[in-house]
Amino acid sequence: DAGITQSPRHKVTETGTPVTLRCHQTENHRYMYWYRQDPGHGLRLIHYSYGVKDTDKGEVSDGYSVSRSKTEDFLLTLESATSSQTSVYFCAISELGTGEQYFGPGTRLTVT
Amino acid sequence: SQQGEEDPQALSIQEGENATMNCSYKTSINNLQWYRQNSGRGLVHLILIRSNEREKHSGRLRVTLDTSKKSSSLLITASRAADTASYFCALYGGATNKLIFGTGTLLAVQP
Repeated sequence: DAGITQSPRHKVTETGTPVTLRCHQTENHRYMYWYRQDPGHGLRLIHYSYGVKDTDKGEVSDGYSVSRSKTEDFLLTLESATSSQTSVYFCAISELGTGEQYFGPGTRLTVT
Repeated sequence: SQQGEEDPQALSIQEGENATMNCSYKTSINNLQWYRQNSGRGLVHLILIRSNEREKHSGRLRVTLDTSKKSSSLLITASRAADTASYFCALYGGATNKLIFGTGTLLAVQP
């Protein structure tokens, strides 16, 4: 998985609790992305980062925040998890130029 | 929506047959990419075709791009059971370094 790890790999949490997912890369790529994958929707971009402390929203950013204090780490936080945020979350990285992305193994999050 | 639309949504073939899946889109692109996802795994990049290219090959994969029709096709020749996966097209516009993914084609190759 191109030097990308995600943690945790599985998590079950209750509605209203905060959750943080971590993406770690060893490739020194500038761009990092968080997606969610749901049946019938493909992959949808939540937030992305184009450098340390530089982030921007994707198409489904409501209810999520991100932080990137180091090149290698990109954190996704659900401030108050809801059942609609039950999903599989993927992190991806990319260099400049072609937009080709490399994906992590995913985190399956269940909000009960 | 700017995402690619893939056709068919699901495809079942026998080992040794060819598999063709299509992607149509509405926006202008810098390149179009195809990814594979095995069940329970992350996506893996397969092939990239630039907007000024018409056809590209990689092993058993052949991708075509028709920018006038805003469509692309992925052909997998001599399919194997190990090709069973979901296949996604992804559009790259260039300006924002973001990919827009289609909803995918689920390919099942029967041994």
